[in-house]
Amino acid sequence: EADIYQTPRYLVIGTGKKITLECSQTMGHDKMYWYQQDPGMELHLIHYSYGVNSTEKGDLSSESTVSRIRTEHFPLTLESARPSHTSQYLCASSDSRSPSGELFFGEGSRLTVL
Amino acid sequence: DQQVKQNSPSLSVQEGRISILNCDYTNSMFDYFLWYKKYPAEGPTFLISISSIKDKNEDGRFTVFLNKSAKHLSLHIVPSQPGDSAVYFCAGTLSTGKLIFGQGTTLQVKP
Repeated sequence: EADIYQTPRYLVIGTGKKITLECSQTMGHDKMYWYQQDPGMELHLIHYSYGVNSTEKGDLSSESTVSRIRTEHFPLTLESARPSHTSQYLCASSDSRSPSGELFFGEGSRLTVL
Repeated sequence: DQQVKQNSPSLSVQEGRISILNCDYTNSMFDYFLWYKKYPAEGPTFLISISSIKDKNEDGRFTVFLNKSAKHLSLHIVPSQPGDSAVYFCAGTLSTGKLIFGQGTTLQVKP
């Protein structure tokens, strides 16, 4: 059973606001990821981390930033939200010892920027 | 360049029948392939995986077939149930551990 949690599940905010999407996992996984997904589209990797104090940008350019100060915590921040940021944000983690690279996903954060 | 493609956006089957979801890939460097299921407003959940050195893996109602010469894999669900209605994503795992996802196929199982 995966133990990865995202908050908030749903967020509606106005343009220009700063938001932080929280993600925590209790599995001790070293790798963590943020994906962005819109209906009918593939999951786009926007950030990943292979360990504490390690963060990298993913394949899809994003104005968001991330931090990995603790193994279990991988928050995503948008300094100034815009309507184009409206999307579902999915956090995931994996164990680098897993040969298949299986990702465990949180339930997602649905962000709507008005 | 899309390395993993799911060319059918949607599929509709009758309850009790077989559902076959297809996936094509262009990168021969994938070590594993995985299938995920996603309900609206939820995160994807892992279903089944297959190593690139295998051609079949079965888990209950779910079977994945891999045809390396055709660079094609498929997920069979037998028998299909209404609760199987969801979006299904296939993904390939690179040696770095990175997963590349397809666009997803929406499966509707009618009672």
